[in-house]
Amino acid sequence: GAGVSQSPSNKVTEKGKDVELRCDPISGHTALYWYRQSLGQGLEFLIYFQGNSAPDKSGLPSDRFSAERTGGSVSTLTIQRTQQEDSAVYLCASSLALNTEAFFGQGTRLTVV
Amino acid sequence: DAKTTQPPSMDCAEGRAANLPCNHSTISGNEYVYWYRQIHSQGPQYIIHGLKNNETNEMASLIITEDRKSSTLILPHATLRDTAVYYCIVRVGNNAGNMLTFGGGTRLMVKP
Repeated sequence: GAGVSQSPSNKVTEKGKDVELRCDPISGHTALYWYRQSLGQGLEFLIYFQGNSAPDKSGLPSDRFSAERTGGSVSTLTIQRTQQEDSAVYLCASSLALNTEAFFGQGTRLTVV
Repeated sequence: DAKTTQPPSMDCAEGRAANLPCNHSTISGNEYVYWYRQIHSQGPQYIIHGLKNNETNEMASLIITEDRKSSTLILPHATLRDTAVYYCIVRVGNNAGNMLTFGGGTRLMVKP
C-alpha cells in the first residue's frame, strides 16, 4: 500500500484479556517503530525494529508488552492481561533506512474497560 | 538525548507566515532536527528535517541557527488546515538507528 497500515482502527477489550495490534509498514522500509499516545499526552516510544537486528525494547512499559516482526515486514504488538492504563492510541511508523524520515499510520485506539 | 523546548501554543492569522521556534541547546554534532505535526485524531505527519543547512520543501522551510542550538519552522502561508500540534524532535544519535523522541510540541491555531 501507499502508507503505513494499522489494524484494527479501534479495539475495545475487557480488562485482563490479551490483544494483538497489527502494523503493515511501507513496502521496502527496513525500520519499524511502535509508539503510544495516551489521551492529551505526547508520543511515548515503545519498541523499534531495524532490519534483522535485535529489536530495541527499551520503551516497553512492562513485561506484558511484546512485539515481533515476521519476515522483516508485518509487525504485531501484543499486550497481555490488559489494564485500564493501557488505554491509548498505538501508533506504528516505518522508515526506509537509518537517518530517514519515519511515516506514521493512523493508529489503533485501544480502550480497556 | 538532546531535549527540545517549544512554546506550548501559538496563534497565526490565515494567510500569514507561521514561525514556530524550537530550542535544542544540547544537540550534538551528528543529531538531526526533525519536525512533525499531528492534526487532531490523525497520526503524526513528517514535515521536514535538517542537520545544519536551511531546508525547504513543498510544506515548509526549516531555519537552523549557525550554532545549531535552535531552529524555526516556517509555514509561509498558513491555512486553517495547518492547525495542529507541531513537534520539534532531535534524532537520537546512536547506532541503533532512527528512534524519535517526541516532546510536548506547539499547538498552532490558525485563525480566519
